[in-house]
Amino acid sequence: DTAVSQTPKYLVTQMGNDKSIKCEQNLGHDTMYWYKQDSKKFLKIMFSYNNKELIINETVPNRFSPKSPDKAHLNLHINSLELGDSAVYFCASSQDWDRSYEQYFGPGTRLTVT
Amino acid sequence: QKEVEQDPGPLSVPEGAIVSLNCTYSNSAFQYFMWYRQYSRKGPELLMYTYSSGNKEDGRFTAQVDKSSKYISLFIRDSQPSDSATYLCAMMGGSNSGYALNFGKGTSLLVTP
Repeated sequence: DTAVSQTPKYLVTQMGNDKSIKCEQNLGHDTMYWYKQDSKKFLKIMFSYNNKELIINETVPNRFSPKSPDKAHLNLHINSLELGDSAVYFCASSQDWDRSYEQYFGPGTRLTVT
Repeated sequence: QKEVEQDPGPLSVPEGAIVSLNCTYSNSAFQYFMWYRQYSRKGPELLMYTYSSGNKEDGRFTAQVDKSSKYISLFIRDSQPSDSATYLCAMMGGSNSGYALNFGKGTSLLVTP
């Protein structure tokens, strides 16, 4: 009965590779998010989708591309991985855009680029 | 200057102590103020949120917001070893200024038995 799930939990890959992280929520929420947490634990918003529509697109390299096939899923594809992409990536969801203050986070995907 | 400032700690207290965690901010458009708790290698979980100024209490946790000073606090009474975690403050504006959460860097708390 996991609320927000992410796969994989750990991802180790080499520079230059392309990888995807998947996120699913079973809460019936309309809004989903991707965050990056760096080595200093700073959590920063990357993208947000509301009803499959891109709402927030922060200044991230265009090597990062989110895709929302339906309201329950938000995937993150990363092209040409770089060392600086190593971080923990969190997916989150909220009931709707107006309730963004109440977000439910997934367990995170720890990405290591070698 | 970052929009949300939070002392990273670490903060170490004995079991049963009252813990005070704080954040300051610079954006006067912030209207929602949240506290998230993050255990090691887990995702953040929402503890409490407050709209505008004032206090809010939930069990051993009390959140305070002082918008005039741009200062928010989280108090934990009768702290327990299970409270050991990183506490993240987060803030966001309203419909006119966007709903993106702005997080502090988190304060690491250790409650020793």
